[in-house]
Amino acid sequence: AQSVSQHNHHVILSEAASLELGCNYSYGGTVNLFWYVQYPGQHLQLLLKYFSGDPLVKGIKGFEAEFIKSKFSFNLRKPSVQWSDTAEYFCAVASGTYKYIFGTGTRLKVLA
Amino acid sequence: GAVVSQHPSRVICKSGTSVKIECRSLDFQATTMFWYRQFPKKSLMLMATSNEGSKATYEQGVEKDKFLINHASLTLSTLTVTSAHPEDSSFYICSARRTPAAEQYFGPGTRLTVT
Repeated sequence: AQSVSQHNHHVILSEAASLELGCNYSYGGTVNLFWYVQYPGQHLQLLLKYFSGDPLVKGIKGFEAEFIKSKFSFNLRKPSVQWSDTAEYFCAVASGTYKYIFGTGTRLKVLA
Repeated sequence: GAVVSQHPSRVICKSGTSVKIECRSLDFQATTMFWYRQFPKKSLMLMATSNEGSKATYEQGVEKDKFLINHASLTLSTLTVTSAHPEDSSFYICSARRTPAAEQYFGPGTRLTVT
């Protein structure tokens, strides 16, 4: 069965620290990859997506992610986090049926 | 663009009654809408896929007679929780997409509490 793993469940960082959140999936075929963010009390918002082409994808709010096919990974990065980045981050993978499989989410807390 | 709304945002109902939740794509036509359930401190679990004008496809373990889905138009899907029980209390989220390979846009969710 397909699965998506987010290894970091809780991350606490100070402002200006760099962020990297891991996402690994198990599926051997073509995939579309997504990162969503859920700010407290708000709905899921798309941060970035990868369908094809350049494996380094830039999203909104200074986030980027790199698709490494050989590692089945799509890690999310941000060079310098802000207090306003405090949220829960979800990785999602869509394969042939285009249904999403979500990771378990990573709760990020940024200390001012 | 790409706004999805849900109504109501919160609902409390008595055990044994039915509750309808609406999901609307406000500024685009959605060929497909999805219904998810989110458990506390856990990820989203896909319940069913709803295509306009056809029957919904339910994920394994989801009772189709309990969670009735209707996708009457390209901008509206409804989820009806029939004969609700306390264990149905949860956060229900819908999403919509324009085309099969497109990204999904999510609604704000509906908090259902069954007493």
